[in-house]
Amino acid sequence: GAGVSQSPRYKVTKRGQDVALRCDPISGHVSLYWYRQALGQGPEFLTYFNYEAQQDKSGLPNDRFSAERPEGSISTLTIQRTEQRDSAMYRCASSPRAGSYEQYFGPGTRLTVT
Amino acid sequence: DQQVKQNSPSLSVQEGRISILNCDYTNSMFDYFLWYKKYPAEGPTFLISISSIKDKNEDGRFTVFLNKSAKHLSLHIVPSQPGDSAVYFCAASGGGGSQGNLIFGKGTKLSVKP
Repeated sequence: GAGVSQSPRYKVTKRGQDVALRCDPISGHVSLYWYRQALGQGPEFLTYFNYEAQQDKSGLPNDRFSAERPEGSISTLTIQRTEQRDSAMYRCASSPRAGSYEQYFGPGTRLTVT
Repeated sequence: DQQVKQNSPSLSVQEGRISILNCDYTNSMFDYFLWYKKYPAEGPTFLISISSIKDKNEDGRFTVFLNKSAKHLSLHIVPSQPGDSAVYFCAASGGGGSQGNLIFGKGTKLSVKP
C-alpha cells in the first residue's frame, strides 16, 4: 500500500519567502508528526496531531513555523519569512493509533534557503 | 544537551558476524525505546522497540537489550547481512514530553562487508 508521501521533495527558496510543505499520511492513520533533520543528526521533533487536533507544538523553533491538519488527513507545515538556518530535511511521519510509538516516515522535503 | 546519544558514528562488520549498535540516554523518565533503520534517500523505517519494563526483545535476527540502571540499550544483529548496511537511529519516548515526541540519537552508519 501507499506509504507517507511528501511534496515537494526538494524546495529552493530565497530568504524572506514563505514556504508550505505538504504531508500525505498513510490512509486512516490517526497521528501525524513533523520532524526536522539536519545533516548528520537524527530527526528533531517539531509538532504532532491526533486527527485534526494539534497535540504538541513544543518543538516548533519560533512563531514563523506553523502547522495545520484541518481535516485530519493531509497536513501542511508553513515557514514564513524563511531564513538560511531553516535549511534542512523536513520529515513527516504517521502512526495508525493515537499514542502508538511506531511512526512511519515519509521520504522528506529537502528545503534550501538561499 | 543530547538526551539520546549514539557515540559511534560508524561501524563496519563482516557478513555473518554480529553487529552491535549502542545507545545511551540521560532521561530516566523515558519509558519506550525504538530503533529505526534508514537507507539513503528514504525516510527512517521502524525496526524494533522495547518497553522500559522489559530488558530484552527479539525479532528474528534483531534483538534489543535494555539496561535501565546503566541507561543503555543496544541492538544486536545476528548474522549480519550486506542488506543491513544503513544508518541506525535510536529513539526514546516518554521523557516528560508528549507521547508523540520521539527523541532521536544522531545515528550510527553500519557497513556490512561481504
